[in-house]
Amino acid sequence: DAGITQSPRYKITETGRQVTLMCHQTWSHSYMFWYRQDLGHGLRLIYYSAAADITDKGEVPDGYVVSRSKTENFPLTLESATRSQTSVYFCASRLGEMETGELFFGEGSRLTVL
Amino acid sequence: GQNIDQPTEMTATEGAIVQINCTYQTSGFNGLFWYQQHAGEAPTFLSYNVLDGLEEKGRFSSFLSRSKGYSYLLLKELQMKDSASYLCAVVDSNYQLIWGAGTKLIIKP
Repeated sequence: DAGITQSPRYKITETGRQVTLMCHQTWSHSYMFWYRQDLGHGLRLIYYSAAADITDKGEVPDGYVVSRSKTENFPLTLESATRSQTSVYFCASRLGEMETGELFFGEGSRLTVL
Repeated sequence: GQNIDQPTEMTATEGAIVQINCTYQTSGFNGLFWYQQHAGEAPTFLSYNVLDGLEEKGRFSSFLSRSKGYSYLLLKELQMKDSASYLCAVVDSNYQLIWGAGTKLIIKP
């Protein structure tokens, strides 16, 4: 019963490098989300996906790329990392289409961009 | 713009009761969530309210007043393990989830 897992949990990189954060869920949930969490801000949605091969932008998508070739995986790529992308990134999933349904979060990936 | 306000930090005593408030101004309303987040961990679901009134779930209760744009989370018989951040989130008219910045609750013995 792994649920939803993220990797790496911690990552330090340099400005300009490409970074990919992985997210894997074992529940076959349709919806998956990527959020970033910064001190003083609420969770901010980066991208979400309603199903395999369907992705859409959230509130703060600039500088990020996602893909979803399989239902269980939803990787987030920072194509050219910037210091402003230093944050804690959470992946989440939801079973169905009801936007009022509970979200299940991964443990988070703490990214530092030097 | 859309706005959700919560106190940044609160302190309470073990065994006591604490109320964490959340006020919101959003474009429409389709429900309000409360999540708990321990330091360094993932948020976990506590409650969902869409109708006015109080919903009780063990030591935790959540209240909603849609006319006032107001909700609170009530925690009774506080335990040290309740030390965490409590996140309020509103589903707006576009069914987007808008998050507050969270309230850090510190429990003292």
